[in-house]
Amino acid sequence: DAGVTQSPTHLIKTRGQQVTLRCSPKSGHDTVSWYQQALGQGPQFIFQYYEEEERQRGNFPDRFSGHQFPNYSSELNVNALLLGDSALYLCASSFGPKETQYFGPGTRLLVL
Amino acid sequence: KNEVEQSPQNLTAQEGEFITINCSYSVGISALHWLQQHPGGGIVSLFMLSSGKKKHGRLIATINIQEKHSSLHITASHPRDSAVYICAVKDYTDKLIFGTGTRLQVFP
Repeated sequence: DAGVTQSPTHLIKTRGQQVTLRCSPKSGHDTVSWYQQALGQGPQFIFQYYEEEERQRGNFPDRFSGHQFPNYSSELNVNALLLGDSALYLCASSFGPKETQYFGPGTRLLVL
Repeated sequence: KNEVEQSPQNLTAQEGEFITINCSYSVGISALHWLQQHPGGGIVSLFMLSSGKKKHGRLIATINIQEKHSSLHITASHPRDSAVYICAVKDYTDKLIFGTGTRLQVFP
């Protein structure tokens, strides 16, 4: 039974570029949440997808957008990258929005 | 002021010592999580609790809802326990709010 997987594991971009990160949930899970973790900080909630809709959103600008596909996998898109977007991006899945979340290994993004 | 505060930020221990990490929160919650994060970045859920106490092996987690406080205890600590321990609370909208973590190093 595969856990939560994320791709790519590492990514380097330059300011102004756009990036797409991908997440495949644990088998049987239908809810995906995305978090940003800056160095030395705790994760910050970006948004959550359930039934292919954005169910909740944290305090992030519109440059951060996402999508959930019919197979429950999800993408996080960030436009017009800033240096401050450099962080570990974590995806977590659950069976429903209220249940325990299982985290993926993260994608480490560096913006130069 | 952060909604979830952890102490200490950094903790160093000798193998075998009893360790306590504290978490205080200021929002209403439906549950509290203790998570472990290793240097590679992956996060593992240790406990989810909404009242009382839970034990798993050498790990014990307690929560006092009235005082909005939780503790994570590690008995007979081991170098493999070295990691960042993160407290996260689930608010009434099911959103997770994280503390900044406690970095634990256990030396042999």
